[in-house]
Amino acid sequence: GNSVTQMEGPVTLSEEAFLTINCTYTATGYPSLFWYVQYPGEGLQLLLKATKADDKGSNKGFEATYRKETTSFHLEKGSVQVSDSAVYFCALRGSSNTGKLIFGQGTTLQVKP
Amino acid sequence: NAGVTQTPKFQVLKTGQSMTLQCAQDMNHEYMSWYRQDPGMGLRLIHYSVGAGITDQGEVPNGYNVSRSTTEDFPLRLLSAAPSQTSVYFCASKGNTGELFFGEGSRLTVL
Repeated sequence: GNSVTQMEGPVTLSEEAFLTINCTYTATGYPSLFWYVQYPGEGLQLLLKATKADDKGSNKGFEATYRKETTSFHLEKGSVQVSDSAVYFCALRGSSNTGKLIFGQGTTLQVKP
Repeated sequence: NAGVTQTPKFQVLKTGQSMTLQCAQDMNHEYMSWYRQDPGMGLRLIHYSVGAGITDQGEVPNGYNVSRSTTEDFPLRLLSAAPSQTSVYFCASKGNTGELFFGEGSRLTVL
């Protein structure tokens, strides 16, 4: 079945550091890939998405590229801010497009001033 | 614009008690779903609905019931709560672009 694996957290960085959160997936066909962010005490919000191979999703300085050859969708940001501290979830939706999302376990990011 | 609204935000139950988590959305979305969030396990799908009158099971449906009598509402029922159901529950609806819109969550503790 479909699955998503994220790097273990927590990740602790200093402000302005470079961020990478690894995400790999297992799926049949051509899934859509997503990154969601959860700020403390809130629900999840869509951060970015990519629907086909080699697509790059981007938003708020974050980027992720859909790599079918390595089944990966790593999240990157060139310079993190304290306000980026949150839990980040990688997710996929299978090619049947039923709407069901499968989530990774989440990676907590803490950015220190 | 309210989006997805969940109630209650916090609830404490004793083992064996029943309760309903309410979820309402005002975006006229056909697809709605319930997830539970547990430490180290991400979000797991409990039940989902592709429209009024239609529901289906997700990954972890045991111990939960749902119904969908209207497009707006998708309540989640715990018939006999167990400590294993202690979790944070999220309701979500799906927009036309495929994006899921989440409520703020309901934190449930079962003693």
